[in-house]
Amino acid sequence: DAGVTQSPTHLIKTRGQHVTLRCSPISGHKSVSWYQQVLGQGPQFIFQYYEKEERGRGNFPDRFSARQFPNYSSELNVNALLLGDSALYLCASSRGTGFILDTQYFGPGTRLTVL
Amino acid sequence: GQQVMQIPQYQHVQEGEDFTTYCNSSTTLSNIQWYKQRPGGHPVFLIQLVKSGEVKKQKRLTFQFGEAKKNSSLHITATQTTDVGTYFCAGQDDMRFGAGTRLTVKP
Repeated sequence: DAGVTQSPTHLIKTRGQHVTLRCSPISGHKSVSWYQQVLGQGPQFIFQYYEKEERGRGNFPDRFSARQFPNYSSELNVNALLLGDSALYLCASSRGTGFILDTQYFGPGTRLTVL
Repeated sequence: GQQVMQIPQYQHVQEGEDFTTYCNSSTTLSNIQWYKQRPGGHPVFLIQLVKSGEVKKQKRLTFQFGEAKKNSSLHITATQTTDVGTYFCAGQDDMRFGAGTRLTVKP
């Protein structure tokens, strides 16, 4: 079975632009979570979606939004990009809704550079 | 909110030496997960601890969850060069990751 896939692999944007990142979960997984990982730090939780509904949100500004599609794939959108948005964006899929006892499988990430 | 601290930030060992990383939470955790991230890679799930005082082993790796469920540790016996990477703990209540411990191993 294929693992979690993300696209694109790398992306370069300029300040003020917007970006859309995409994630396809493992087949059979219904939950997708998004994380931001700045170099040298641990992943920071942004969103969790389950069955197309937002089930959790981290401490990120409203410039960050996401959605989940009927096939359980997901998009993360970031508007009005700032230099500080440069990071590795990770998607993780899991079977169910709850974090509790739910193993997350991470994708390879999208490296976003904002110039 | 929940704060998860990891120490040390970096650890450099000679191959064959042991390694331990510690994870401390400001609040009681429902459970804790450990991940390993190789340089240039993505986090890979290692284990989940749920019960107070729980100890789990995976070959040379030993994971412990404190009695108060506020701290955890990962111990690697006789490190190998394949152990290189950053080890993260994550409090699963709000999926807050520690900053990680970066392990380097000198052959």
